[in-house]
Amino acid sequence: GAVVSQHPSWVICKSGTSVKIECRSLDFQATTMFWYRQFPKQSLMLMATSNEGSKATYEQGVEKDKFLINHASLTLSTLTVTSAHPEDSSFYICSARVSGPPWEQYFGPGTRLTVT
Amino acid sequence: DAKTTQPTSMDCAEGRAANLPCNHSTISGNEYVYWYRQIHSQGPQYIIHGLKNNETNEMASLIITEDRKSSTLILPHATLRDTAVYYCIVSQPYGQNFVFGPGTRLSVLP
Repeated sequence: GAVVSQHPSWVICKSGTSVKIECRSLDFQATTMFWYRQFPKQSLMLMATSNEGSKATYEQGVEKDKFLINHASLTLSTLTVTSAHPEDSSFYICSARVSGPPWEQYFGPGTRLTVT
Repeated sequence: DAKTTQPTSMDCAEGRAANLPCNHSTISGNEYVYWYRQIHSQGPQYIIHGLKNNETNEMASLIITEDRKSSTLILPHATLRDTAVYYCIVSQPYGQNFVFGPGTRLSVLP
């Protein structure tokens, strides 16, 4: 299957600082990428849909000014958590969707963010 | 809300087939069924997908009922490494975002 990477795999930052997470599709081009968040013992929740060359679409309740998404190329999307707070500590996972049916998504390994 | 329902948990003996059911009674004609699994602290791993016909790959088989209202993922010879949460997902039309339900926690026992 296709490979999606994320960097970093884990990060610890202080409250009030910003953190950038990168998501790359390594062997295919993805016009659409997704960002999910997963809290302990819960399922994945979609945060936003990232389309190459256009603004991201955020799910209800997700602050677009806090979670900045950039999808500048067909293989790279970034998520920046601005002014991070302890409640932003979570497991962040990206996925890249193949263009055309069956539109399956391939997921990155995830980034564990801890805000102290 | 997720368009699928799955049992919360299942056990399977190592070496035996694991059969994981999924109900998707409101599925539309152009919606695919996808299966993913998530091993602890990792991103979900793609397993298989199907539209109408049964499918098989190196990991698993997917059996979809004729009315498409349910499906079963079959791991033919479960190993301890197959212990994970398995998600059955029905896509939104035309490849829109996935909605993850709680999935089935499969425990493969020695």
